[in-house]
Amino acid sequence: QKEVEQNSGPLSVPEGAIASLNCTYSDRVSQSFFWYRQYSGKSPELIMSIYSNGDKEDGRFTAQLNKASQYVSLLIRDSQPSDSATYLCAVTPNTNAGKSTFGDGTTLTVKP
Amino acid sequence: DAGVIQSPRHEVTEMGQEVTLRCKPISGHNSLFWYRQTMMRGLELLIYFNNNVPIDDSGMPEDRFSAKMPNASFSTLKIQPSEPRDSAVYFCASSRGTRLGVRVVDSPLHFGNGTRLTVT
Repeated sequence: QKEVEQNSGPLSVPEGAIASLNCTYSDRVSQSFFWYRQYSGKSPELIMSIYSNGDKEDGRFTAQLNKASQYVSLLIRDSQPSDSATYLCAVTPNTNAGKSTFGDGTTLTVKP
Repeated sequence: DAGVIQSPRHEVTEMGQEVTLRCKPISGHNSLFWYRQTMMRGLELLIYFNNNVPIDDSGMPEDRFSAKMPNASFSTLKIQPSEPRDSAVYFCASSRGTRLGVRVVDSPLHFGNGTRLTVT
């Protein structure tokens, strides 16, 4: 079993729809959770970070964390063509400079 | 904030040659990470440093790979000798701890633009 697993893509949604990206992790003591966006040929960039159970909203993005289920998700509302990218889930097992383990990513395409 | 600076952006070399990748982390960040990304294996952590000290090098593929961080503002990843299977994009990233209430949690990674290595 991989340490961090993401729902297999590619994922295609029409413009204006909600895109839902999912991630599960195996290490129960994980403390920090991140979603990165990576455009083709570019480096990953942070979209959201979440540390506590529940929802965290930032603009059109909402991250949801459920530590009991070892599950973290990212919702993108009102999807735009510019959201088309690969989304990477990253999990850090402990505090203070622990290493992040990345999922394989889910490629999202938003069709105009 | 100049961001994480990596050099070179592209490197094309022949099998057997030595390759050195360079990284300057963001000032004030105390952790530095080297990742490798390929289509087949995704983003893999090779090694990370905390306060210039290597903490975990379990991801380094083999003895041909070595990394150093002589000071807080510079790190190198060296491959000697290089092989075609080393072809990948190599990312350097830095981060610092963030206080969240009474806890110190990991802040997100800030990635450099990467070095695209091609070994022929």
